[in-house]
Amino acid sequence: GDSVTQTEGQVALSEEDFLTIHCNYSASGYPALFWYVQYPGEGPQFLFRASRDKEKGSSRGFEATYDKGTTSFHLRKASVQESDSAVYYCALGDFGNEKITFGAGTKLTIKP
Amino acid sequence: GGIITQTPKFLIGQEGQKLTLKCQQNFNHDTMYWYRQDSGKGLRLIYYSITENDLQKGDLSEGYDASREKKSSFSLTVTSAQKNEMAVFLCASSVPGQGTERLFFGHGTKLSVL
Repeated sequence: GDSVTQTEGQVALSEEDFLTIHCNYSASGYPALFWYVQYPGEGPQFLFRASRDKEKGSSRGFEATYDKGTTSFHLRKASVQESDSAVYYCALGDFGNEKITFGAGTKLTIKP
Repeated sequence: GGIITQTPKFLIGQEGQKLTLKCQQNFNHDTMYWYRQDSGKGLRLIYYSITENDLQKGDLSEGYDASREKKSSFSLTVTSAQKNEMAVFLCASSVPGQGTERLFFGHGTKLSVL
């Protein structure tokens, strides 16, 4: 079945550092790819998505580019802030039905 | 805008007990989901429903039942709670989109089994 792999379980950075969280996927079809962010005590919130190869999704300074060749959708931000501390989830939508599969999540901690 | 309401917020059960979690949405969305969230394992899909009275199994459906009696509500039953089980159950909804639409989540029900 479909799967999403997030390499980093935890990332610790300082403010203004560059962020990369790696996401790779495995799917039989041509899935849509998503990033979600979750703050303590809340449910995950949609950050952005991309639906085709080379498409870039972005929101709030975060961005990721759909790469079908490397089956990746890595999350990047040029300069992180303390308020970006949260858990980030990569997800894929199984084209042809409504099933959405999530990765294990990456906990991001930003030190002031 | 809309909201997803999950009840209860906290649920404490006994080993072997049947426990029911409820979810209501006022987005008028067709599709609803139940996910289980465990530390280090992310969100795992238990059941989803694409319309009233429809049920589709996810990757973690064993040990659970679900019911979608109305468009706005989706309930999940833990058929036999496991001792020391601790997890957060998240409900979500979306418009139909062949896997391309964003999900809207509730705040979760935290389950603890004594």
